[in-house]
Formats: sequence, structure tokens, C-alpha cells
Amino acid sequence: SQQGEEDPQALSIQEGENATMNCSYKTSINNLQWYRQNSGRGLVHLILIRSNEREKHSGRLRVTLDTSKKSSSLLITASRAADTASYFCATDGGKAAGNKLTFGGGTRVLVKP
Amino acid sequence: DSGVTQTPKHLITATGQRVTLRCSPRSGDLSVYWYQQSLDQGLQFLIQYYNGEERAKGNILERFSAQQFPDLHSELNLSSLELGDSALYFCASSVGQFGGYTFGSGTRLTVV
Repeated sequence: SQQGEEDPQALSIQEGENATMNCSYKTSINNLQWYRQNSGRGLVHLILIRSNEREKHSGRLRVTLDTSKKSSSLLITASRAADTASYFCATDGGKAAGNKLTFGGGTRVLVKP
Repeated sequence: DSGVTQTPKHLITATGQRVTLRCSPRSGDLSVYWYQQSLDQGLQFLIQYYNGEERAKGNILERFSAQQFPDLHSELNLSSLELGDSALYFCASSVGQFGGYTFGSGTRLTVV
């Protein structure tokens, strides 16, 4: 079963616009991570936010985490056509869970030039 | 190149057959994770090894098995293959508990 539920499942925007996607999860976490996957390729790690952090930035990416609501959001600012991909959130249950990641279903993002 | 090497990239085989997928983790990473990605099930965690020992098990079928060797490479063995086993199989590695995973480019398995 999947820990994270992502919303929306698909998103279509114009180049230059911002893209926001959300992730909700069910159990306590050690950290939450976001990954990008281009069609049929491997996943690329984007950003990790620890359970005691509320917001993190990396370039055009901004991630928030609300552990009270068990939710996270990923914002991509000033999107580019190259940002077209699927984005997945993944929760790390910590050492007790073997640090395995449980992935959500992903958000497919299409950035139109 | 992510540093995690998976071979082969593509595999086509018949139902009932057995295949072995191989993964070499990034240099210095002791943990290896196997995931299956299919259209209907999404990304499913199969199994994790840490420094040669099984650490965590997920939704791995009894027909599937894995191991991690002393040189830290890992193999995922899939036997008695069924059509539904067709999927992308990813290997990922990590140093430990606070880092992100580094994924390989995957093995696309097609069972016909």
C-alpha cells in the first residue's frame, strides 16, 4: 500500500507559471522526500525535509511540511518545459522501518512552452 | 549517470521463466533497495539490504528473492514469471538513514 497520496494526479501549466502539488501521508515519519521521474527513467532525488523542519528551499523548489496535518507541498516556481515530469513524495519511517521509502502515486506535470 | 548501475536495461522473457536483475550501488553506499513500478500498483517497495543483510521486506512475492553480496552489489531473482510481473524494477542505494536515495535507471521487464 502507498503511504502518500498526491494531489493533483495531473497538472498542466504554461511555462513561467508556478506548479504546486500536495502530498498527504498516514503514519509518523522521520523525513519526507520529493523525487522527479522523467518518462520511463529513474527517479531523481530533489529535496529532503526532516520531520522537525517546516520549510525548505532548493533553487526554484520550495517544500513545506506540516506534521500536524501529515501533509507536504512542493512548489516549483517559474516552471520550464524541462520540468515536465512526474513528481513523487516519499516518506521515510526512520530506522525502525529500515529507512525504506514509501512512495505516493505521483503528480504528472506538463509544462507547455 | 547516478552512480547506481542496473543491468540489463531491458529484458523480454516468457511466462514461467526465471530472470536475475543486477544492481551495483553507488560507491560508499551500504544500503540497497529494490522497487517495482507498474502502472496499476505504482512504486512498490520490495526489499532492502544493508551491508549484506536483509533489513526490511515489503510487498515481495514468494517467487521473488534477493541477496546482497560481499562487494555490495545486489541481485533480484524473479522466478515462475507471470504476465503481471511486467514492470520497471528499480534499485536504489543510500549511505544511511538521513540521506536521499540514489536510483538506478531501472530494468524494464516484459513477460510475454
